[in-house]
Amino acid sequence: ETGVTQTPRHLVMGMTNKKSLKCEQHLGHNAMYWYKQSAKKPLELMFVYNFKEQTENNSVPSRFSPECPNSSHLFLHLHTLQPEDSALYLCASSQEDRGRADTQYFGPGTRLTVL
Amino acid sequence: GDSVTQMEGPVTLSEEAFLTINCTYTATGYPSLFWYVQYPGEGLQLLLKATKADDKGSNKGFEATYRKETTSFHLEKGSVQVSDSAVYFCAFVTGNQFYFGTGTSLTVIP
Repeated sequence: ETGVTQTPRHLVMGMTNKKSLKCEQHLGHNAMYWYKQSAKKPLELMFVYNFKEQTENNSVPSRFSPECPNSSHLFLHLHTLQPEDSALYLCASSQEDRGRADTQYFGPGTRLTVL
Repeated sequence: GDSVTQMEGPVTLSEEAFLTINCTYTATGYPSLFWYVQYPGEGLQLLLKATKADDKGSNKGFEATYRKETTSFHLEKGSVQVSDSAVYFCAFVTGNQFYFGTGTSLTVIP
């Protein structure tokens, strides 16, 4: 059971394409996150949004562009990606209060393949 | 800096064997501790959590105890099943920063 949904579940795109990943959380949380999970590598935090404001950007290339229109929705816009960007992209949410975050809940992920 | 160190895998066990996956952490402040499980092709699912020293988190036969004196949060299960085959992640949050271990792959064979 998950209160965080992600679409699409699988995406294949060429290096010149533009696509978007969508995440929606139904948990009433105020913080949302994008992670990248590559084979044989630790989980990489990409972006953090709190109350719709971006609070962290971990030196992610500009070909990844996040958007958070409200506290329930998070997008990751993709353009001119490279084959090494192929990975599982995970969205998560949590409740943050006065600088302290509670449990993160994850979506099922989008498996991205860049040809 | 803050970090999580967990047992490297892969781990292969026979069905009904006892499981331990070690996890230690280095954290400033007073972290909350978590174990997540990831099944093939899925995201991370919360397995259990503990928020203060000596708390025991438990779920689906898995247990872990928050040991502040040894900064550890080892995952245990008395009798594993084939359906427990997955990757297990130890994690903690301090303030609003989350830290994850690198994951331990478990395969249970019939």
